[in-house]
Amino acid sequence: GDSVTQMEGPVTLSEEAFLTINCTYTATGYPSLFWYVQYPGEGLQLLLKATKADDKGSNKGFEATYRKETTSFHLEKGSVQVSDSAVYFCALKQLVGSQGNLIFGKGTKLSVKP
Amino acid sequence: NAGVTQTPKFRVLKTGQSMTLLCAQDMNHEYMYWYRQDPGMGLRLIHYSVGEGTTAKGEVPDGYNVSRLKKQNFLLGLESAAPSQTSVYFCASSYVAGGPPGELFFGEGSRLTVL
Repeated sequence: GDSVTQMEGPVTLSEEAFLTINCTYTATGYPSLFWYVQYPGEGLQLLLKATKADDKGSNKGFEATYRKETTSFHLEKGSVQVSDSAVYFCALKQLVGSQGNLIFGKGTKLSVKP
Repeated sequence: NAGVTQTPKFRVLKTGQSMTLLCAQDMNHEYMYWYRQDPGMGLRLIHYSVGEGTTAKGEVPDGYNVSRLKKQNFLLGLESAAPSQTSVYFCASSYVAGGPPGELFFGEGSRLTVL
């Protein structure tokens, strides 16, 4: 079945460091790909998404590019801030037959130190 | 601008007790979902609903029941709680499953501890 694998955490960075969180997927067809973020004590929020190959999703300085050839959707940010400390989830959704459900990775916890 | 609201936010149960978690959304969404979040496991789908009066099983449905009597509400019930059901439960909703992929909107979570 479909699945999402993302890098194990936790990840600890200093403020203004470069961030990469790796995400790869296994799926039939051409799923849509998402990054969700969960701040402490809150529910998940959509961070960015991409619906087809070579699309780049971006939001709040974060970017991810849908790479069909490597089945990847890595999350990047050039300069992280303390306020970016959160758990990041990669997810996929099939366009057909999924009942709208998302398949989530296990999450990567990011801590940014001042 | 409430979005998705879950009640209660915290609950402690003894093994064998029953309880119901309520999820309410004010966005007129058709689809609603219950997930559980456990350390190192990510989010796993328990049950979902594609419309009023319909429910279906997700990945981990055992020990849970759901009902969607009204479009805006999705209830998750535990008939006889077990320690393995200690978790954080998230409700989510979305506008439509087919067509352009829709965003899931999440509640803030309900932390359940079963002793």
